[in-house]
Amino acid sequence: QQQVKQSPQSLIVQKGGISIINCAYENTAFDYFPWYQQFPGKGPALLIAIRPDVSEKKEGRFTISFNKSAKQFSLHIMDSQPGDSATYFCAASTRGSQGNLIFGKGTKLSVKP
Amino acid sequence: GAGVSQSPSNKVTEKGKDVELRCDPISGHTALYWYRQSLGQGLEFLIYFQGNSAPDKSGLPSDRFSAERTGGSVSTLTIQRTQQEDSAVYLCASSPTGTSSEQYFGPGTRLTVT
Repeated sequence: QQQVKQSPQSLIVQKGGISIINCAYENTAFDYFPWYQQFPGKGPALLIAIRPDVSEKKEGRFTISFNKSAKQFSLHIMDSQPGDSATYFCAASTRGSQGNLIFGKGTKLSVKP
Repeated sequence: GAGVSQSPSNKVTEKGKDVELRCDPISGHTALYWYRQSLGQGLEFLIYFQGNSAPDKSGLPSDRFSAERTGGSVSTLTIQRTQQEDSAVYLCASSPTGTSSEQYFGPGTRLTVT
């Protein structure tokens, strides 16, 4: 049972464009939703995270939009750059649990110059 | 400050041999997690430590897998009698408190079982 579904699997965007990655979850007990960025040969790096008491969080060019009723959240990368080319993972965890993250399967983003 | 470190970075072993993977978490982080990332797959939770205790071992794929953490710091993941399906990147993460807080990942150990 996949608790966090991520789409698309891969994404190609032109430099300067907007990259949008979507995730949907099933467990309404999830209360923490981070996004991780992973470059080849490296561990995932925490990019941005949101809790369900807000609908949007912005950090620089990265924005998380959160829709609690639809059980969906998305990552928007504005003014995408070739250096943003990486694999992005959404994840979720539950308050009161040990906090282990349930990950989506990842989106490979390629930003073309 | 120093991040999460893991060693070795790469390990090639023969089927049937035992391997030990090491994780040094960020100093002061009480929670430590092991995940496995198989080729083209997402990250799969293996085990969680709060201090030295592991309240949840349900993610370990078989009894060939075990882990320990000593002194509330360094952790070792041991795989006995390795199989080819164990080939993956093993990632360690630490968190200040666990329980829905930020997790910081190490670079991983790439394990190849031949």
